[in-house]
Order: sequence, then structure tokens, then C-alpha cells
Amino acid sequence: EIVLTQSPGTLSLSPGERATLSCRASQSVPSNYVAWYQQKPGQPPRLLIFGAFRRTTGIPDRFSGSGSGTDFTLTISRLEPEDFAVYYCQQYGDSPPNSFGQGTKLEIK
Amino acid sequence: EVQLVESGGGLIQPGGSLRLSCAASGFIFEDYAMHWVRLTPGKGLEWVSAINWDGASKGYADSVKGRFTISRDNAKKTLYLQMNSLRTEDTAFYYCAKDVGPATAGNFYYMDVWGKGTTVTVSS
Repeated sequence: EIVLTQSPGTLSLSPGERATLSCRASQSVPSNYVAWYQQKPGQPPRLLIFGAFRRTTGIPDRFSGSGSGTDFTLTISRLEPEDFAVYYCQQYGDSPPNSFGQGTKLEIK
Repeated sequence: EVQLVESGGGLIQPGGSLRLSCAASGFIFEDYAMHWVRLTPGKGLEWVSAINWDGASKGYADSVKGRFTISRDNAKKTLYLQMNSLRTEDTAFYYCAKDVGPATAGNFYYMDVWGKGTTVTVSS
């Protein structure tokens, strides 16, 4: 079973800054099948990225995914006020289980 | 509009049973695999279970294996999660989510549509 570890646990930044969120897998994720989700309080998760770097329809291009093997990154180039939320990575290359990371909380500094 | 609506959550004593339902609309339900995912304040999102398009392939997290059973009724466009021998650590907000594919070979992918969720509280 692949275990995902996200870092940092909490990231404090200001609007306009760049955010870099990390997701490290305990073993190589087949086909780099990693997705990223955004979750705000009281809302279900929202799919942002799949296949490590493919943005889903309607997601602004300030969101980008990168990485391969065991190390994956979600980058938000210029933070907007609505971007402050919790972000989760998920692997689906070795499923089931389709494990999630423990999340990174992006908060306003 | 693509929509998933969960129901069946509530307060239950440890050792009890509960069945969650998820009613789907706005897409061809039988073409897609489906998932249950839960959210707990301390642990974040946890994948719970998934079922492929025709119910032939199922997967479970180790934490629920042997206690939870996922099923679906394609005629009713409904997904289910039967939860038995509930523990306090099963207390969470449970989401139903749609896979992007059918998982014909039992290989589940990622989720592109989520319901609003239902709360399960296991407490004496």
C-alpha cells in the first residue's frame, strides 16, 4: 500500500505570494497517477489536478502540478483570497486503496 | 446537473449498524465506478471503499475491511455503504464520490464529482 505524506502541515502565506505544496509517496506511484483536491470548510473536495499535472476543466491556470515517481508538487503561482483552504493529494496508480495524504492547510498570514 | 445526495447518517452506539445511501442523477450511473470517502477533523480525508460499474469489483480500506460492505443498485441509481460493528473512530463526515471511469478491471481512479456528505457519529 502506498502511503502519501504531505508537507508542510500548515502553510501561512499572503495573497499574491506563491505556494508550493509537497506530496511524497512511500513508493513510486505507477504512471504518476496523482490527483490534487481543494477543500474549504463545509464543502466537499474539489478536483484540481489529475495525472500529476493535468488541470481539470474550470481550474485557473495559477494552479499547476508537477513531479514523478515519489515526489509531487502542487504550485499556486499567485494566491487569491479564495485559494486559502486545505489541499489533499491522492494516488490512484496502485488501487485499491486510493490513498490520500493527510492534507496541507493553506492559511492567510 | 450532475448530483450526488447522501443520506442515512446519524448517531449510533458503538457496535451498532448503519446504512448510508447515495442517490445519483444527471449522469449515466451504471457507466462509472463509485467511492465512499470520509473526513475526520484529526485525520483529514480517508478513502473508505469503492465499487466498479457492475458491482463485480470492490475495494476497502484496511480500517473498515470485514465491517463495511459497499454495494450499488444501477436500476435505482443508488450507491450504498452498510456499516456494521461501528467504532468510535468511524465517526466522520461521509462523502459519496463518482469515479472518472468504470473500473472494469477493478482499477479505481480519481473522483470528479462529490456529494455534500452525511454525518456519522458513533458514541455511547
